[in-house]
Amino acid sequence: GEDVEQSLFLSVREGDSSVINCTYTDSSSTYLYWYKQEPGAGLQLLTYIFSNMDMKQDQRLTVLLNKKDKHLSLRIADTQTGDSAIYFCAEIRQKGGGADGLTFGKGTHLIIQP
Amino acid sequence: KAGVTQTPRYLIKTRGQQVTLSCSPISGHRSVSWYQQTPGQGLQFLFEYFSETQRNKGNFPGRFSGRQFSNSRSEMNVSTLELGDSALYLCASRGGNYGYTFGSGTRLTVV
Repeated sequence: GEDVEQSLFLSVREGDSSVINCTYTDSSSTYLYWYKQEPGAGLQLLTYIFSNMDMKQDQRLTVLLNKKDKHLSLRIADTQTGDSAIYFCAEIRQKGGGADGLTFGKGTHLIIQP
Repeated sequence: KAGVTQTPRYLIKTRGQQVTLSCSPISGHRSVSWYQQTPGQGLQFLFEYFSETQRNKGNFPGRFSGRQFSNSRSEMNVSTLELGDSALYLCASRGGNYGYTFGSGTRLTVV
């Protein structure tokens, strides 16, 4: 399909790990990104992964990339109430002459239960 | 290092009017792109500028236009506003092969 797909909601208990999944579309995408958006705010870049990598870890965040299945995931360890937000997966699609801007998924609302 | 600055933060306009939004990228970044965020359509790419030239354009009508100045600051303009143009408009700057850094956005309401 044409869309970057994510589940709309994920509910986890405080202290557990959160895993947010994303399926992207363009096998030639060079970079894949995870952004966080809190209410009323812009987008905060959390992390990114280059397409020749399988995994990237940055403190509580772990990104896994499966190029064969075009599947990207973001794991947040020890989820805290401050992690409550919408998380967007994004890819850069290549077209003749250059990149075509970022293509975003619809976002996953991460809900933290006490 | 200052982030991406968008002005104004909020704007209310009437149908048929036009509006200009401004974006100042991170110092040294030459690429500026614009996105529209609505509850129904999500985040959609409008256009990208690099060194005062439009590099790419998304699937939006000609009422949406932009430009970039020699200091990399960018403006986007929407003419003949429609109710459906109500959205959060986000600007992002990029330096080199790295992630796009977004501003806080301009929330436009068309009444």
